[in-house]
Amino acid sequence: EVHLVQSGTAVKKPGESLKISCKGSGYIFTNYWIAWVRQRPGKGLEYMGIIYPLDSEIRYSPSFQGQVTISTDNSINTAFLQWGSLEASDSAMYYCATTAGGVATEAFVYWGQGNLVTVSS
Amino acid sequence: SYELTQPPSVSVPPGQTALFTCSGTELDDKYVSWYQQKSGQSPVLVIYQDSRRPSGIPDRFSGSNSGNTATLTISGAQAVDEAVYHCHVWDNRIAIFGGGTRLTVL
Repeated sequence: EVHLVQSGTAVKKPGESLKISCKGSGYIFTNYWIAWVRQRPGKGLEYMGIIYPLDSEIRYSPSFQGQVTISTDNSINTAFLQWGSLEASDSAMYYCATTAGGVATEAFVYWGQGNLVTVSS
Repeated sequence: SYELTQPPSVSVPPGQTALFTCSGTELDDKYVSWYQQKSGQSPVLVIYQDSRRPSGIPDRFSGSNSGNTATLTISGAQAVDEAVYHCHVWDNRIAIFGGGTRLTVL
């Protein structure tokens, strides 16, 4: 059974850095694209970007290009989303999700439980 | 940039049909997916490629896509179906989500 387990809650101050994680299991990690999706409180889903672990191809949404970094460590079947300098507006729930069939532009079949990030002074 | 428009809310009595619309320019040129998100939970895929149901999704969920509008239908809505429903497409390799529609069954 496929599982995406995310690293949990983070409370940070503005200007601090952060790296959150999403560990995949139950499938061949390198063969499926993993995306990151933001959801601010009470708001809709926002696509941030996607990575193909096998060759580390990354596609960022223009809205998030330069704001975050997406990566993977295939030795531990884990994808990462990181910020160099957080802002209060980064406070949100962040989900990882895999697409169907190893295709980048397919439906998001499996979702992690979310990382809640709170940025406050 | 491409946009998807969803009404903010839908309300139906139990057992009635709930219809969710998702509008976008020439939407039927794209595959539409739908996700159910219950309060405090992660989204769950309920329809992909316009009308296909993943395994485990009840057959009261169905989808269609024609012209500029895709529709998710819940036939015989139940209290357990109360959630926000998000539509999603890919446009130029960027995932686009609608704003979501909240279903109330009362």
